[in-house]
Amino acid sequence: SQKIEQNSEALNIQEGKTATLTCNYTNYSPAYLQWYRQDPGRGPVFLLLIRENEKEKRKERLKVTFDTTLKQSLFHITASQPADSATYLCALDSWGKFQFGAGTQVVVTP
Amino acid sequence: EAGVAQSPRYKIIEKRQSVAFWCNPISGHATLYWYQQILGQGPKLLIQFQNNGVVDDSQLPKDRFSAERLKGVDSTLKIQPAKLEDSAVYLCASSLGDVIYGYTFGSGTRLTVV
Repeated sequence: SQKIEQNSEALNIQEGKTATLTCNYTNYSPAYLQWYRQDPGRGPVFLLLIRENEKEKRKERLKVTFDTTLKQSLFHITASQPADSATYLCALDSWGKFQFGAGTQVVVTP
Repeated sequence: EAGVAQSPRYKIIEKRQSVAFWCNPISGHATLYWYQQILGQGPKLLIQFQNNGVVDDSQLPKDRFSAERLKGVDSTLKIQPAKLEDSAVYLCASSLGDVIYGYTFGSGTRLTVV
């Protein structure tokens, strides 16, 4: 069956450092992969989309990589700030619909 | 631009009771989704509408859940009768249909079944 795995342990990181999150998947051949941010009590907010033929995508302090051989995406937040503290979800395209991972919580301390 | 509106924000009901959630998507968004998010899990798709037609309801427990999108704008999701395991946040999302823009989610309705 299709499976999306994100690290369930919270990532605690010091302000200014780079946070790196992983999204691993099995039994998928996604054409697209998205990353969302979710704050407590709020719905997810779309951040970035990367296509299967793209190796890397950047948006401001965010960088996403997509390795279809390893079946893995990495999500980087550079120069992290306390305001980046949230849960980050990856979502994979499956027959035109996106299936979500459980997310990884990021805590940035000053 | 206004976001996706959902109501109510919170609802507490007893098991076997019924409940309904309402969603008003972003104007012009033809595609509307209902997701269920259980605490500690990612959102799980329940149903997808394209205008007022159902595209996918394969994960909707149809013996107790129903949804409609009359006139292709706002939508309601109903649970009848509710079970304890239905306790979750119900998220509505809409999109233009092009994946590059992602989905726009509402803040959700937190349902507690006691």
